[in-house]
Amino acid sequence: DARVTQTPRHKVTEMGQEVTMRCQPILGHNTVFWYRQTMMQGLELLAYFRNRAPLDDSGMPKDRFSAEMPDATLATLKIQPSEPRDSAVYFCASGLHIAGGPGNEQFFGPGTRLTVL
Amino acid sequence: SQKIEQNSEALNIQEGKTATLTCNYTNYSPAYLQWYRQDPGRGPVFLLLIRENEKEKRKERLKVTFDTTLKQSLFHITASQPADSATYLCALEHPGGYNKLIFGAGTRLAVHP
Repeated sequence: DARVTQTPRHKVTEMGQEVTMRCQPILGHNTVFWYRQTMMQGLELLAYFRNRAPLDDSGMPKDRFSAEMPDATLATLKIQPSEPRDSAVYFCASGLHIAGGPGNEQFFGPGTRLTVL
Repeated sequence: SQKIEQNSEALNIQEGKTATLTCNYTNYSPAYLQWYRQDPGRGPVFLLLIRENEKEKRKERLKVTFDTTLKQSLFHITASQPADSATYLCALEHPGGYNKLIFGAGTRLAVHP
């Protein structure tokens, strides 16, 4: 069945290293979201794309985070350089937005658990 | 900015009883509200969506209400089962639109046999 996939599932890295997380949205979905989840802050929206175009990345620290969709089957979230405070679970979600229709459900991937030492 | 409040303490109930979870919000009233379930180590899973002009929505043993006057949504699970144990997240439409959501911190539900 169709599902969002994310790689890697777990990543341990040292402070200062570059981290790249990948997401394959569900085929046919036109909206992709990146979230970060921590115990303290809960689930926070970092960035999202509609038809591969970035619509909003105001939730992202611009100096070190970047998000792209090189094609319809791949979204990436990159952190460079990584810091211990970036340790969290990063989720990708996709959905099908229909113009004029509100609030379609989002399908979440399994997440990437990132630990920055 | 919008603030969403869900019970931070875990809700413990006996199997077979009805679980009721609360989601309160401040500020603007969203056009719709969604509920998700999250199990440990997994991503949230969509359960129900309710629009501002709907008072109640049902799906099998689940029921959601939406009171825009009280700025509150209630999420009910009837005839609860241990398999219903999970964290339940309330999510509101972000005023920016485009299907953006703001999530509450979630309430952990534990159903005991």
